[in-house]
Amino acid sequence: DAGVIQSPRHEVTEMGQEVTLRCKPISGHNSLFWYRQTMMRGLELLIYFNNNVPIDDSGMPEDRFSAKMPNASFSTLKIQPSEPRDSAVYFCASSWSGWYNEQFFGPGTRLTVL
Amino acid sequence: SQQGEEDPQALSIQEGENATMNCSYKTSINNLQWYRQNSGRGLVHLILIRSNEREKHSGRLRVTLDTSKKSSSLLITASRAADTASYFCATDAGNTGNQFYFGTGTSLTVIP
Repeated sequence: DAGVIQSPRHEVTEMGQEVTLRCKPISGHNSLFWYRQTMMRGLELLIYFNNNVPIDDSGMPEDRFSAKMPNASFSTLKIQPSEPRDSAVYFCASSWSGWYNEQFFGPGTRLTVL
Repeated sequence: SQQGEEDPQALSIQEGENATMNCSYKTSINNLQWYRQNSGRGLVHLILIRSNEREKHSGRLRVTLDTSKKSSSLLITASRAADTASYFCATDAGNTGNQFYFGTGTSLTVIP
């Protein structure tokens, strides 16, 4: 298996633009997580899907952020409009059965909003 | 917040020495996990210990869990330069919700 795949690996955009981050989880995993990592706030869980259904989105910072999982092999995290404070590394992770088992992380997307 | 706190924030040791890092958390949990992150990379799972377990081993790693003190420790024995990385503990929210929290991390440097 190729592991969790994220694209793009790097994204540079201007304030106000829409940004879409993509994730392909490991085949057979039924849980998917989006995280954000910054120096100031560390690693934060943004949203958690189980069987393609959002279970907890309390970590999504505001309405500018949205996430979807249309099927078991694909998820997107969208920021619209983007702001400089959204600059961070965004990680996607997948697991079998939530956090009762280990999570496998993708390589991350480094987002820079100018 | 349930977010764990790691101690120390940074640790520098000579190759061959043991490294110990600690994690404290605030509320009850179902399990606690340790992850490693090399610079510029994603996180890699190291070990999971359930709330009814007290100690677990995996290769050169030894993890302990004290639920009465709400703390865990990760011991890396006979460290190698390749162990240089940041180490994070992570906990769920027990029966109080569906959140998952990472600690602040310990930056380990192993000097060859």
